[in-house]
Amino acid sequence: AQKVTQAQTEISVVEKEDVTLDCVYETRDTTYYLFWYKQPPSGELVFLIRRNSFDEQNEISGRYSWNFQKSTSSFNFTITASQVVDSAVYFCALSEGGGGFKTIFGAGTRLFVKA
Amino acid sequence: EPEVTQTPSHQVTQMGQEVILRCVPISNHLYFYWYRQILGQKVEFLVSFYNNEISEKSEIFDDQFSVERPDGSNFTLKIRSTKLEDSAMYFCASSEHRGGAYSNQPQHFGDGTRLSIL
Repeated sequence: AQKVTQAQTEISVVEKEDVTLDCVYETRDTTYYLFWYKQPPSGELVFLIRRNSFDEQNEISGRYSWNFQKSTSSFNFTITASQVVDSAVYFCALSEGGGGFKTIFGAGTRLFVKA
Repeated sequence: EPEVTQTPSHQVTQMGQEVILRCVPISNHLYFYWYRQILGQKVEFLVSFYNNEISEKSEIFDDQFSVERPDGSNFTLKIRSTKLEDSAMYFCASSEHRGGAYSNQPQHFGDGTRLSIL
């Protein structure tokens, strides 16, 4: 069965600190897709990144970077030089490629960035 | 950029009443979804819809829930007799492909409808 675990419920950092949000997933499929979404206080879900199971190349986008490690079933997200605007709940999610329709979300990590 | 739109943004309903949440998916998308997020909790899959029928549903999606695509643009979620525990944010999503996984874009989410049951 699919499962996404975000063990960190809340993280609090001071502005300009780097922060890593952990995500561990479980799936029986060999083809699957991993996502990160940001949910700011306004409530909408903002898509950040998608990775497929065949592509373990890490990705960097500005201050954001993602580390995908199939060997440990992890897909961690790092924010470099955090800013107050990064304060939000971040969700890691999994979609199986073997014909599944749904996306399974982790419980989310609430990030507080203090000025 | 095209987006999924949901109306209303906030719905307040008396317990036991029927409620319909409305969504307009992205026009060329073929797969439609509803998700629920109870306050402070994770986003949970409710149902997916393709080719005018439910393709997958979760155990949350019981007989009180139904979905419909009444015309070429709208996708609705109906809760027949609302309960207090139905209070949540409901997200509609759409995708070009199954699970949003095969295209360059994942499922596109609307901004959600906050449903409050009194």
